[in-house]
Amino acid sequence: EPEVTQTPSHQVTQMGQEVILRCVPISNHLYFYWYRQILGQKVEFLVSFYNNEISEKSEIFDDQFSVERPDGSNFTLKIRSTKLEDSAMYFCASRDLGQGNYEQYFGPGTRLTVT
Amino acid sequence: GQSLEQPSEVTAVEGAIVQINCTYQTSGFYGLSWYQQHDGGAPTFLSYNALDGLEETGRFSSFLSRSDSYGYLLLQELQMKDSASYFCAVRDRDDKIIFGKGTRLHILP
Repeated sequence: EPEVTQTPSHQVTQMGQEVILRCVPISNHLYFYWYRQILGQKVEFLVSFYNNEISEKSEIFDDQFSVERPDGSNFTLKIRSTKLEDSAMYFCASRDLGQGNYEQYFGPGTRLTVT
Repeated sequence: GQSLEQPSEVTAVEGAIVQINCTYQTSGFYGLSWYQQHDGGAPTFLSYNALDGLEETGRFSSFLSRSDSYGYLLLQELQMKDSASYFCAVRDRDDKIIFGKGTRLHILP
């Protein structure tokens, strides 16, 4: 069964450093998302992406964040200058076009630890 | 503001039925989803209601009343593997969803 994959599974970085989190969505999906989840808390929407541009973004997704689809398979989230409060699990998700139930398929996540 | 309210924890017995409620107050509404998340795992889609009424998928059913800004997830014939957190999530814009804080379901043997 096709699945969303994410790398790395765990990233440790120092405050102020840039990180890039990578995702490979399911191959025929056209809508892509990033979420974050601080330990023990709810899943928070960051951004949605379709047709090579951002569709929606939340208040969390400020200028330090950016997304890119550099080729036909990868979808990346860049955090330019990490802060301690960016420590969280980051999930990528994707969905198919025209799927009436709006089902999103989540990857296993990247745990980001900022020290 | 945007808010989704659901109980923080629910406990039930194996084989029983449990209902997890969700009320929401959002600027827009396109539909209500439910996701399951086991500890350390990713959210997994369970159901989506765009219209009022009951949707059934195996042991799980989900209900929506848009006039009451309310929905619930019903889990029947509970199994130990159903122990997880359950999140309701509102699609408040075309391509954006807001998750509730989650309900941790504990199942007793």
